[in-house]
Amino acid sequence: AQSVTQLGSHVSVSEGALVLLRCNYSSSVPPYLFWYVQYPNQGLQLLLKYTSAATLVKGINGFEAEFKKSETSFHLTKPSAHMSDAAEYFCAVRGISNFGNEKLTFGTGTRLTIIP
Amino acid sequence: GAVVSQHPSWVICKSGTSVKIECRSLDFQATTMFWYRQFPKQSLMLMATSNEGSKATYEQGVEKDKFLINHASLTLSTLTVTSAHPEDSSFYICSASPLAGFADTQYFGPGTRLTVL
Repeated sequence: AQSVTQLGSHVSVSEGALVLLRCNYSSSVPPYLFWYVQYPNQGLQLLLKYTSAATLVKGINGFEAEFKKSETSFHLTKPSAHMSDAAEYFCAVRGISNFGNEKLTFGTGTRLTIIP
Repeated sequence: GAVVSQHPSWVICKSGTSVKIECRSLDFQATTMFWYRQFPKQSLMLMATSNEGSKATYEQGVEKDKFLINHASLTLSTLTVTSAHPEDSSFYICSASPLAGFADTQYFGPGTRLTVL
Protein backbone atom coordinates (compact mmCIF):
# COMPACT_ATOMS: atom_id res chain seq x y z
CA ALA A 1 0.00 0.00 0.00
CA GLN A 2 1.07 3.55 -0.62
CA SER A 3 1.22 6.28 2.00
CA VAL A 4 2.68 9.73 2.59
CA THR A 5 3.80 11.48 5.74
CA GLN A 6 3.95 15.24 6.03
CA LEU A 7 6.30 16.48 8.70
CA GLY A 8 5.04 19.57 10.44
CA SER A 9 1.35 20.41 10.60
CA HIS A 10 2.21 24.12 10.79
CA VAL A 11 5.04 26.00 9.14
CA SER A 12 5.66 29.72 9.44
CA VAL A 13 8.08 31.64 7.27
CA SER A 14 8.78 35.31 6.76
CA GLU A 15 7.77 36.96 3.54
CA GLY A 16 10.65 36.59 1.08
CA ALA A 17 12.16 33.60 2.88
CA LEU A 18 12.53 30.07 1.58
CA VAL A 19 9.49 27.80 1.87
CA LEU A 20 10.18 24.13 2.59
CA LEU A 21 7.32 21.71 3.17
CA ARG A 22 8.31 18.13 3.82
CA CYS A 23 6.74 14.95 2.47
CA ASN A 24 8.01 11.39 2.71
CA TYR A 25 6.38 8.52 0.90
CA SER A 26 6.07 4.79 1.18
CA SER A 27 5.32 2.80 -1.93
CA SER A 28 5.91 -0.74 -3.13
CA VAL A 29 5.97 0.45 -6.75
CA PRO A 30 7.47 3.49 -8.44
CA PRO A 31 5.27 6.26 -7.10
CA TYR A 32 3.31 9.02 -8.70
CA LEU A 33 3.42 11.93 -6.25
CA PHE A 34 1.43 15.13 -5.99
CA TRP A 35 1.28 18.40 -4.12
CA TYR A 36 -2.04 20.18 -3.74
CA VAL A 37 -2.85 23.56 -2.22
CA GLN A 38 -6.11 24.51 -0.53
CA TYR A 39 -7.03 28.11 0.04
CA PRO A 40 -9.81 28.95 2.50
CA ASN A 41 -13.25 27.99 1.24
CA GLN A 42 -11.85 26.60 -1.99
CA GLY A 43 -11.21 23.14 -3.38
CA LEU A 44 -7.80 21.53 -3.58
CA GLN A 45 -5.76 22.77 -6.52
CA LEU A 46 -2.93 20.80 -8.10
CA LEU A 47 0.45 22.49 -7.66
CA LEU A 48 2.60 19.87 -9.34
CA LYS A 49 3.00 16.16 -9.86
CA TYR A 50 5.82 13.67 -10.34
CA THR A 51 5.19 10.88 -12.83
CA SER A 52 8.60 9.20 -13.06
CA ALA A 53 10.07 11.59 -15.60
CA ALA A 54 12.35 14.42 -14.40
CA THR A 55 13.10 14.25 -10.68
CA LEU A 56 12.83 18.02 -10.30
CA VAL A 57 9.28 19.06 -10.97
CA LYS A 58 8.22 22.65 -11.46
CA GLY A 59 4.69 23.70 -10.65
CA ILE A 60 2.52 26.74 -10.54
CA ASN A 61 3.12 29.87 -8.48
CA GLY A 62 6.89 29.33 -8.37
CA PHE A 63 6.78 26.07 -6.44
CA GLU A 64 8.92 23.06 -7.24
CA ALA A 65 9.56 19.66 -5.71
CA GLU A 66 12.38 17.17 -6.02
CA PHE A 67 11.84 13.42 -6.03
CA LYS A 68 14.60 11.67 -4.08
CA LYS A 69 14.27 7.92 -4.18
CA SER A 70 17.15 7.33 -1.77
CA GLU A 71 15.41 9.46 0.84
CA THR A 72 11.85 8.50 -0.15
CA SER A 73 11.09 12.19 -0.14
CA PHE A 74 9.20 14.68 -2.26
CA HIS A 75 9.66 18.00 -0.48
CA LEU A 76 8.01 21.16 -1.79
CA THR A 77 10.02 24.37 -2.02
CA LYS A 78 9.68 27.96 -3.11
CA PRO A 79 12.67 30.33 -3.03
CA SER A 80 10.79 33.39 -1.84
CA ALA A 81 7.53 33.28 0.10
CA HIS A 82 4.71 35.62 -0.77
CA MET A 83 1.77 36.56 1.41
CA SER A 84 -0.55 34.87 -1.08
CA ASP A 85 1.14 31.52 -0.40
CA ALA A 86 -0.60 31.23 2.96
CA ALA A 87 -2.75 28.10 2.64
CA GLU A 88 -2.98 24.40 3.49
CA TYR A 89 -0.72 22.10 1.48
CA PHE A 90 -1.30 18.40 0.93
CA CYS A 91 1.08 15.77 -0.38
CA ALA A 92 -0.48 12.72 -2.05
CA VAL A 93 0.56 9.44 -3.66
CA ARG A 94 -1.34 7.50 -6.30
CA GLY A 95 -2.26 3.94 -5.53
CA ILE A 96 -4.81 1.26 -6.30
CA SER A 97 -7.93 0.62 -4.25
CA ASN A 98 -9.26 -2.79 -3.27
CA PHE A 99 -11.42 -2.74 -6.40
CA GLY A 100 -8.59 -2.00 -8.75
CA ASN A 101 -9.47 1.68 -9.16
CA GLU A 102 -6.79 4.33 -9.04
CA LYS A 103 -6.92 6.41 -5.88
CA LEU A 104 -4.98 9.17 -4.19
CA THR A 105 -3.80 8.80 -0.61
CA PHE A 106 -3.22 12.14 1.10
CA GLY A 107 -1.02 13.31 3.91
CA THR A 108 -2.41 15.16 6.89
CA GLY A 109 -1.58 18.56 5.44
CA THR A 110 0.70 21.44 6.39
CA ARG A 111 -0.67 24.86 7.12
CA LEU A 112 1.70 27.52 5.81
CA THR A 113 1.64 30.93 7.48
CA ILE A 114 3.54 33.86 6.01
CA ILE A 115 4.85 36.46 8.43
CA PRO A 116 4.92 40.00 7.02
CA GLY B 1 -11.93 25.85 -16.61
CA ALA B 2 -12.37 22.57 -14.70
CA VAL B 3 -14.60 23.91 -11.96
CA VAL B 4 -16.37 21.65 -9.49
CA SER B 5 -19.07 22.95 -7.18
CA GLN B 6 -20.65 21.47 -4.09
CA HIS B 7 -23.96 22.27 -2.52
CA PRO B 8 -24.60 23.04 0.22
CA SER B 9 -21.33 24.44 1.56
CA TRP B 10 -22.49 23.70 5.08
CA VAL B 11 -25.47 21.95 6.63
CA ILE B 12 -26.72 21.33 10.14
CA CYS B 13 -29.21 18.56 10.71
CA LYS B 14 -30.81 16.62 13.53
CA SER B 15 -29.73 13.12 14.41
CA GLY B 16 -31.69 10.53 12.47
CA THR B 17 -32.38 12.64 9.42
CA SER B 18 -30.84 12.21 5.98
CA VAL B 19 -28.75 14.79 4.18
CA LYS B 20 -27.96 15.03 0.49
CA ILE B 21 -24.82 16.70 -0.85
CA GLU B 22 -24.48 17.57 -4.52
CA CYS B 23 -21.29 17.66 -6.54
CA ARG B 24 -21.34 19.21 -10.00
CA SER B 25 -18.74 19.59 -12.71
CA LEU B 26 -19.55 22.94 -14.28
CA ASP B 27 -17.52 22.98 -17.48
CA PHE B 28 -16.52 19.40 -18.24
CA GLN B 29 -17.95 15.93 -18.22
CA ALA B 30 -17.00 13.99 -15.13
CA THR B 31 -16.65 10.35 -16.05
CA THR B 32 -15.39 9.52 -12.58
CA MET B 33 -16.17 11.20 -9.28
CA PHE B 34 -14.55 10.65 -5.92
CA TRP B 35 -15.96 11.34 -2.47
CA TYR B 36 -13.67 12.08 0.46
CA ARG B 37 -14.15 12.69 4.12
CA GLN B 38 -11.86 14.91 6.15
CA PHE B 39 -11.69 15.05 9.93
CA PRO B 40 -10.09 18.04 11.67
CA LYS B 41 -6.31 17.97 11.44
CA GLN B 42 -6.43 14.74 9.44
CA SER B 43 -5.99 13.86 5.82
CA LEU B 44 -8.65 13.38 3.20
CA MET B 45 -9.89 9.81 3.30
CA LEU B 46 -11.35 8.36 0.13
CA MET B 47 -14.83 7.03 0.77
CA ALA B 48 -15.89 5.86 -2.66
CA THR B 49 -15.32 6.12 -6.38
CA SER B 50 -18.15 6.32 -8.88
CA ASN B 51 -18.25 6.10 -12.63
CA GLU B 52 -21.19 7.60 -14.45
CA GLY B 53 -23.99 5.12 -14.79
CA SER B 54 -22.36 2.51 -12.58
CA LYS B 55 -22.58 1.62 -8.94
CA ALA B 56 -20.06 3.28 -6.69
CA THR B 57 -17.19 1.26 -5.27
CA TYR B 58 -16.66 1.90 -1.58
CA GLU B 59 -13.39 1.80 0.31
CA GLN B 60 -12.96 -0.72 3.07
CA GLY B 61 -14.76 0.31 6.22
CA VAL B 62 -17.22 2.68 4.54
CA GLU B 63 -20.86 1.68 4.99
CA LYS B 64 -22.47 1.79 1.57
CA ASP B 65 -25.97 1.68 3.02
CA LYS B 66 -25.22 4.74 5.09
CA PHE B 67 -23.42 6.77 2.46
CA LEU B 68 -25.46 6.45 -0.71
CA ILE B 69 -23.74 7.68 -3.84
CA ASN B 70 -25.50 8.34 -7.11
CA HIS B 71 -23.71 9.35 -10.30
CA ALA B 72 -26.57 9.43 -12.76
CA SER B 73 -25.17 12.01 -15.16
CA LEU B 74 -21.81 13.19 -16.42
CA THR B 75 -22.06 16.42 -14.44
CA LEU B 76 -23.73 15.44 -11.19
CA SER B 77 -23.02 13.09 -8.33
CA THR B 78 -24.80 13.05 -4.99
CA LEU B 79 -23.85 11.74 -1.59
CA THR B 80 -26.70 11.02 0.79
CA VAL B 81 -25.87 10.48 4.44
CA THR B 82 -28.76 8.39 5.71
CA SER B 83 -29.93 8.45 9.32
CA ALA B 84 -27.12 10.80 10.23
CA HIS B 85 -25.60 10.70 13.69
CA PRO B 86 -23.17 13.06 15.42
CA GLU B 87 -20.22 10.83 14.50
CA ASP B 88 -21.01 11.53 10.84
CA SER B 89 -20.18 15.19 11.37
CA SER B 90 -17.28 15.94 9.10
CA PHE B 91 -16.07 17.80 6.04
CA TYR B 92 -17.08 16.03 2.84
CA ILE B 93 -15.17 16.77 -0.37
CA CYS B 94 -15.89 15.59 -3.86
CA SER B 95 -13.66 15.59 -6.89
CA ALA B 96 -14.29 14.89 -10.53
CA SER B 97 -12.17 13.52 -13.34
CA PRO B 98 -12.87 13.66 -17.06
CA LEU B 99 -10.92 10.44 -17.50
CA ALA B 100 -12.45 7.14 -16.49
CA GLY B 101 -10.48 5.39 -13.80
CA PHE B 102 -7.63 7.91 -13.61
CA ALA B 103 -7.00 9.41 -10.20
CA ASP B 104 -4.25 11.83 -11.12
CA THR B 105 -6.54 14.19 -12.99
CA GLN B 106 -8.99 15.25 -10.30
CA TYR B 107 -10.65 18.60 -9.85
CA PHE B 108 -11.86 19.23 -6.35
CA GLY B 109 -14.96 20.89 -5.02
CA PRO B 110 -14.76 23.31 -2.09
CA GLY B 111 -16.28 20.84 0.37
CA THR B 112 -19.40 20.58 2.51
CA ARG B 113 -19.29 20.81 6.27
CA LEU B 114 -21.88 18.57 7.90
CA THR B 115 -22.83 19.00 11.54
CA VAL B 116 -25.23 16.51 13.06
CA LEU B 117 -26.82 17.57 16.32
